[in-house]
Amino acid sequence: IAGITQAPTSQILAAGRRMTLRCTQDMRHNAMYWYRQDLGLGLRLIHYSNTAGTTGKGEVPDGYSVSRANTDDFPLTLASAVPSQTSVYFCASSKGLEDEQFFGPGTRLTVL
Amino acid sequence: SQELEQSPQSLIVQEGKNLTINCTSSKTLYGLYWYKQKYGEGLIFLMMLQKGGEEKSHEKITAKLDEKKQQSSLHITASQPSHAGIYLCGADNAGAGSYQLTFGKGTKLSVIP
Repeated sequence: IAGITQAPTSQILAAGRRMTLRCTQDMRHNAMYWYRQDLGLGLRLIHYSNTAGTTGKGEVPDGYSVSRANTDDFPLTLASAVPSQTSVYFCASSKGLEDEQFFGPGTRLTVL
Repeated sequence: SQELEQSPQSLIVQEGKNLTINCTSSKTLYGLYWYKQKYGEGLIFLMMLQKGGEEKSHEKITAKLDEKKQQSSLHITASQPSHAGIYLCGADNAGAGSYQLTFGKGTKLSVIP
């Protein structure tokens, strides 16, 4: 692994199903983030994590949950997917508070 | 919360032409980031500006932060097809060392050969 990876690349999901988007980084970055990108709305922060063991809510957290059991992984879970969660999801990480964020390639999620 | 407005929303230029993208904030910018995104791909970090009047360059791309720290511009000189993509500005929320970025909606750049 080099940098930050996300899985799956894309997914079509029936409404009401549970889904976990995976994000892994091998840069030993302390902070990690989940964004969703929607046409006309730009990137919006869903959840973030300062460091392993801590998480916080971003701008649009409803319907999503995250965990940070270790430094490398930051999964995003949709407990019961709804069509409005159709979006492209980006995971990002940064070394520290004032460092640039590195982004994963994104996961395209469609909820029908 | 901080809001970022980018202009123009989209831009089509002939190869070789210069262009400028603007990012205006509703509040003082404590940290301003420029990213580039190609369709279906993640975001690539371009530059970060923190000080009023600061200017940084990378290859043919120059970014500036105005003295009042409420507006940034990204200037591309002699554009090439490889410059095509979506350019996003992101701002550091709160200004207290917060790393939660707020993003503009992006500027889509097309470069015609």
